[in-house]
Amino acid sequence: GAVVSQHPSWVICKSGTSVKIECRSLDFQATTMFWYRQFPKQSLMLMATSNEGSKATYEQGVEKDKFLINHASLTLSTLTVTSAHPEDSSFYICSVLDRLNEKLFFGSGTQLSVL
Amino acid sequence: DQQVKQNSPSLSVQEGRISILNCDYTNSMFDYFLWYKKYPAEGPTFLISISSIKDKNEDGRFTVFLNKSAKHLSLHIVPSQPGDSAVYFCAAGEAAGNKLTFGGGTRVLVKP
Repeated sequence: GAVVSQHPSWVICKSGTSVKIECRSLDFQATTMFWYRQFPKQSLMLMATSNEGSKATYEQGVEKDKFLINHASLTLSTLTVTSAHPEDSSFYICSVLDRLNEKLFFGSGTQLSVL
Repeated sequence: DQQVKQNSPSLSVQEGRISILNCDYTNSMFDYFLWYKKYPAEGPTFLISISSIKDKNEDGRFTVFLNKSAKHLSLHIVPSQPGDSAVYFCAAGEAAGNKLTFGGGTRVLVKP
């Protein structure tokens, strides 16, 4: 069964609105989750590392005020794209770190289309 | 600066033959490498991994080879099956389970 649940799987929104994406760890408690973004025909790019109970660590070039990450519990991290614009249209994927078994599991992704 | 590169964007292979996917990296601090398979509009699924203390790891039809001196790894799929058609990403990290740096992916098409 799925280890990571991510939803919504797709969302279409108007420019200027905010979109929240949820990532849930189903099988274990996760202190660390990662958020990736993939543009068409490009690789997965790490956006930020989400740490339970503390502030997320953002990669260079990723605006923390635009991509709000909340990791309030050991099983849930959320990514909110604030004031979305068409250039934010992308495939967003979360991943969950299983430290015990040293494995990384991915969610099914969210396709965001901003009109 | 791409630290992980997959120089072949696509690969076409006949069913039953071997698929060889290559990946090069530049960061000598990487010590853990993984291959993921990805279908369109889905998240990547883990295939196989290898740590820097090994030079080969095998799991069924999938074998990963690591050449540390050349900073090169490859994934062999044999025999290739039509269901293997997907995009394959190699990824590298500085410690097992740490954040990963992905290559650009190689699209594999296995023809029946």
